Amino acid sequence: AQSVTQLGSHVSVSEGALVLLRCNYSSSVPPYLFWYVQYPNQGLQLLLKYTSAATLVKGINGFEAEFKKSETSFHLTKPSAHMSDAAEYFCAVSDQGAQKLVFGQGTRLTINP
Amino acid sequence: GAGVSQSPRYKVAKRGQDVALRCDPISGHVSLFWYQQALGQGPEFLTYFQNEAQLDKSGLPSDRFFAERPEGSVSTLKIQRTQQEDSAVYLCASSPPNQQETQYFGPGTRLLVL
Repeated sequence: AQSVTQLGSHVSVSEGALVLLRCNYSSSVPPYLFWYVQYPNQGLQLLLKYTSAATLVKGINGFEAEFKKSETSFHLTKPSAHMSDAAEYFCAVSDQGAQKLVFGQGTRLTINP
Repeated sequence: GAGVSQSPRYKVAKRGQDVALRCDPISGHVSLFWYQQALGQGPEFLTYFQNEAQLDKSGLPSDRFFAERPEGSVSTLKIQRTQQEDSAVYLCASSPPNQQETQYFGPGTRLLVL
């Protein structure tokens, strides 16, 4: 069975600082991996996805993530945090194709001025 | 273009009432998913349709939950005899035929059972 672990339910960084949100996955088959962002009272918006092409994936709003098979990780980074990045972030895994997503518990990102 | 829409956005029900939640996917999207998101948790899969066929309903928590998509477009999630533990946000997502791995989410319906 697939699973996702997000280390740190809350992360707080200063504006302009590096953002690092951690995600580790478990999957018995080559996975597809995703990062979604959720703003209050809204649905999930796709930030980026890994679908077995390049291991370094660039997404919207300056975010990127690197797939590391040896570490079963897919950490999300952004070089310089902006106040508008404050939100809940979810890592998710699926089997290849049109399959259900298995989500982590989420990480709430707070940006300090 | 228009995204996934869901209605109602908020629903308050008394315990024991039946509720129906609607999802309008993006036009042309053949795959449709329902998820349940409890407070402070990640979404959890409920069920999946490809066109009108319900291909996976393994996540439905009990036989009180029922989903349909009779014409392969709009979908309805019905919860019978609601219980307090059904209180959650119900998210709908759809994906296009040429990018089936990418799910586009609606804003969700927040259900509160009193």
